[in-house]
Amino acid sequence: EPEVTQTPSHQVTQMGQEVILRCVPISNHLYFYWYRQILGQKVEFLVSFYNNEISEKSEIFDDQFSVERPDGSNFTLKIRSTKLEDSAMYFCASSGQGVSYGYTFGSGTRLTVV
Amino acid sequence: GENVEQHPSTLSVQEGDSAVIKCTYSDSASNYFPWYKQELGKGPQLIIDIRSNVGEKKDQRIAVTLNKTAKHFSLHITETQPEDSAVYFCAAIRRNEKLTFGTGTRLTIIP
Repeated sequence: EPEVTQTPSHQVTQMGQEVILRCVPISNHLYFYWYRQILGQKVEFLVSFYNNEISEKSEIFDDQFSVERPDGSNFTLKIRSTKLEDSAMYFCASSGQGVSYGYTFGSGTRLTVV
Repeated sequence: GENVEQHPSTLSVQEGDSAVIKCTYSDSASNYFPWYKQELGKGPQLIIDIRSNVGEKKDQRIAVTLNKTAKHFSLHITETQPEDSAVYFCAAIRRNEKLTFGTGTRLTIIP
């Protein structure tokens, strides 16, 4: 079964440093998303990406965040200057024609900011 | 925007009994309602979903019901087993927009 692959599985970084979280969506999917989950809380939407541009973003997704699809397979989330409160699980997801078609999550990257 | 409420936050049931988790949503334009199971350290896994043109859907021991008028939907797990223990999230979405998740239910199956 097709999978969304995320790397690394765990990243520890110093406050103020830049991090890049990587995702390889399912190959024929067109819509890409980042979500995050602070420990013990619900999954929250960050950003959606379609046709090489951001289609929607939440208020969490401020100027410190950016997304990119640098080639035909990768989808990245960059946090420019990490803060302690950025510590969370970050999930990438992708979907096909319309969100109900194969909306699939990756297994996540646990980001710890120290 | 969409708001999804989920109850209960924790649920313990004896192995073999049924478990029911309920969600309500606010946006009448939402048309797709997935349920996710999340095990420790893993991403949400889709277990069942329902679209707004359907009232009920069943897949073996799992079923979901949708009441569009009342804007609520429920997950039913019958003949529960220890491996059903996890956190369950409901979600709602319309068209190609973002998923809005409920707050989650920690289900514990007591052997």
